Amino acid sequence: DAKTTQPPSMDCAEGRAANLPCNHSTISGNEYVYWYRQIHSQGPQYIIHGLKNNETNEMASLIITEDRKSSTLILPHATLRDTAVYYCIVRGGIQGAQKLVFGQGTRLTINP
Amino acid sequence: GAVVSQHPSRVICKSGTSVKIECRSLDFQATTMFWYRQFPKQSLMLMATSNEGSKATYEQGVEKDKFLINHASLTLSTLTVTSAHPEDSSFYICSASPKLRGENYGYTFGSGTRLTVV
Repeated sequence: DAKTTQPPSMDCAEGRAANLPCNHSTISGNEYVYWYRQIHSQGPQYIIHGLKNNETNEMASLIITEDRKSSTLILPHATLRDTAVYYCIVRGGIQGAQKLVFGQGTRLTINP
Repeated sequence: GAVVSQHPSRVICKSGTSVKIECRSLDFQATTMFWYRQFPKQSLMLMATSNEGSKATYEQGVEKDKFLINHASLTLSTLTVTSAHPEDSSFYICSASPKLRGENYGYTFGSGTRLTVV
């Protein structure tokens, strides 16, 4: 699976949009981009995933560049509860039991 | 939605004893489950892939005789830390991959087990 690069930490004001970047320049054609987050001392929580089109759900939006070498997770109106470590993971396929390998992620702090 | 239950959430044991951690998929069948370990301020490290009805696949550097994995049914995988030592103290997390799924929302994780070996 392709490797991802994320900034180690970011800050965002409550109520503003939080934009978390991820570089995955070696991504291959059949690999998906997944985003998870981990709130302190809990298991990771799925946020969103995408292949090449932008995606949106009730939690966030995922913007993938046309060349697919990078993506941005957008939390449109960040709240204090969004403070967490956010992981961008690239993985092949949407079926089957392919393992998820976590990088260091971005520690997002939402400030009041 | 898919729910994974992990038990216990917290355990303290004496050095040299064994500890069993359970991971259950509550509303779906999971032919494959994954076990992770996380040390403070670090990311999750994949330990092994648990396969229902067959032997687990361990990541490089993980001792299979120390971390025993059993996946006897489609809804239960167990991780036993044998002869635990203080350096085994960590946060252990399981994750399940559903057997049948359409559009994949990704893997579901348990809430984790905080193991402290004294």
